[in-house]
Amino acid sequence: TQLLEQSPQFLSIQEGENLTVYCNSSSVFSSLQWYRQEPGEGPVLLVTVVTGGEVKKLKRLTFQFGDARKDSSLHITAAQPGDTGLYLCAGPLTDSWGKLQFGAGTQVVVTP
Amino acid sequence: KAGVTQTPRYLIKTRGQQVTLSCSPISGHRSVSWYQQTPGQGLQFLFEYFSETQRNKGNFPGRFSGRQFSNSRSEMNVSTLELGDSALYLCASSLGLFNEQFFGPGTRLTVL
Repeated sequence: TQLLEQSPQFLSIQEGENLTVYCNSSSVFSSLQWYRQEPGEGPVLLVTVVTGGEVKKLKRLTFQFGDARKDSSLHITAAQPGDTGLYLCAGPLTDSWGKLQFGAGTQVVVTP
Repeated sequence: KAGVTQTPRYLIKTRGQQVTLSCSPISGHRSVSWYQQTPGQGLQFLFEYFSETQRNKGNFPGRFSGRQFSNSRSEMNVSTLELGDSALYLCASSLGLFNEQFFGPGTRLTVL
């Protein structure tokens, strides 16, 4: 059972456009993390959101955690080719953060 | 500070063989988790170790095993390899049980 549903599965946009990736669950998570992964490499942590309703900004990336802590979104403003990658959301399944449930990922391609 | 290192980066084995993968966490990190990533199933949790103790185990057969040493380094072993074990095996480390995980580059295992 996939507890974290990501949408869309694939996104192809032109440089300069905006995009939003969604991560939804029927379960409440104590926190959600967003990672970006490039081919042949491990995921790189972008952000962790902990509080319901929290909004975090990382340069052109804006992350939001839903009020009920069941969903999250990642918005990229003025996307650049360097934003290309697989974006993954993940949340802890147990009391520790060492056992993460991952979404299937959203493949983002930004063309010049 | 050096990141998580995994050895080897690439490995080719044949069915029935066994394999041992190694992970060196970030200095000072005491928690290590392992994940299997395949195109069909995405990232799936294998094990979580903290202070040489296995805290959590994912839904994988007994052929998959692991351990953690006193210096926090970890190994995972897969015996009687099957074609379906071909995957990218990722190790992640964190300071403790409630800290963010940082991933290594992974070991690409191919079973022929």
